[in-house]
Amino acid sequence: GQQVMQIPQYQHVQEGEDFTTYCNSSTTLSNIQWYKQRPGGHPVFLIQLVKSGEVKKQKRLTFQFGEAKKNSSLHITATQTTDVGTYFCVTADFNKFYFGSGTKLNVKP
Amino acid sequence: SAVISQKPSRDICQRGTSLTIQCQVDSQVTMMFWYRQQPGQSLTLIATANQGSEATYESGFVIDKFPISRPNLTFSTLTVSNMSPEDSSIYLCSVVGHNEKLFFGSGTQLSVL
Repeated sequence: GQQVMQIPQYQHVQEGEDFTTYCNSSTTLSNIQWYKQRPGGHPVFLIQLVKSGEVKKQKRLTFQFGEAKKNSSLHITATQTTDVGTYFCVTADFNKFYFGSGTKLNVKP
Repeated sequence: SAVISQKPSRDICQRGTSLTIQCQVDSQVTMMFWYRQQPGQSLTLIATANQGSEATYESGFVIDKFPISRPNLTFSTLTVSNMSPEDSSIYLCSVVGHNEKLFFGSGTQLSVL
């Protein structure tokens, strides 16, 4: 499957600070998805990006797909304790879905 | 959206035994996926299960160790065979719903002693 590197592995922030996680691929991606997994839970779909340079927003979350479709980012503005969890980028390859290594976010109140 | 019922939610098993995990979906789906998530790690795709055909396994996973059944479009099982402590993990089934979103079962936390 497609290999995507995700950084950072961990991020600890104070509530109110911003947070960004990045996914990088050595190959061009057809699309990229983002999921959030709360502690003890299963991954939940957040967004799908398809177009080169695409930017989508969901309240405090901003998702970007690189112009070359080889990288993507998720930015959270003014984190809250409810943002705690692990964020995964996911790539699709021949109808199979492969997870990035994930970024675990901890938010201190 | 798709609702997936997965069981058991957790089990503690002895080395050398086998465990079968079941997933029931509330709608007909073509493809079902089985993932493994080791402690503190990401999800690793084990295999893709299509109804009416053999499951397709990813590199590092074999049918003898992880046999899969897919008797119809709403149900699948994954068996973890001849278990060892290294098989301790969370196992998740998943389906592709509308707009290529993945939906997951609640997972099976397996501990092998």
